[in-house]
Amino acid sequence: GESVGLHLPTLSVQEGDNSIINCAYSNSASDYFIWYKQESGKGPQFIIDIRSNMDKRQGQRVTVLLNKTVKHLSLQIAATQPGDSAVYFCAAAQGNFNKFYFGSGTKLNVKP
Amino acid sequence: SQTIHQWPATLVQPVGSPLSLECTVEGTSNPNLYWYRQAAGRGLQLLFYSVGIGQISSEVPQNLSASRPQDRQFILSSKKLLLSDSGFYLCAWTRGPWEKLFFGSGTQLSVL
Repeated sequence: GESVGLHLPTLSVQEGDNSIINCAYSNSASDYFIWYKQESGKGPQFIIDIRSNMDKRQGQRVTVLLNKTVKHLSLQIAATQPGDSAVYFCAAAQGNFNKFYFGSGTKLNVKP
Repeated sequence: SQTIHQWPATLVQPVGSPLSLECTVEGTSNPNLYWYRQAAGRGLQLLFYSVGIGQISSEVPQNLSASRPQDRQFILSSKKLLLSDSGFYLCAWTRGPWEKLFFGSGTQLSVL
């Protein structure tokens, strides 16, 4: 599986700036990745996904970049807003098996 | 549309008492079902995974068990709770391989 369960690092950004949240995965067989947003006391909410046959995918104000060589992915949030304040997790899976393992998460604080 | 229901939202139980958390998915058939646990300020740990009725895969040895008595019902149980079982328990589902993982609203369990 993947590594999970570490204490969450924190990223503080100014409202309107771009945010970059990073995630590392350990299993080179992982080929399907999802980013989630979790607000306090709630279940994680799907943001964007990417398969290993791609290295970049864009959504509304979000971009995910995947570097399979170093087993790293990032989530870029453009023009960060106060409503973006939350904890962000990446999840990795072998798509055929569909067992998702989560990264340690990053708490994003957006300063007005 | 598909929805996932998880209850109760909060639960306070004494050490040594039994546990039963229930999760149901509506609007789909033969989903893959998951139980995750999240300790305060930490990432998500995969506990159990099921691809069909009666088929349960356990990820970590622990004081918990899972059952899937019906296609869209997933139950997390314990015969005797430990203090270390406290946490935020999340049920999740996917349609199958290469599909997004969707979460329920979670159960905050406090074992005292």
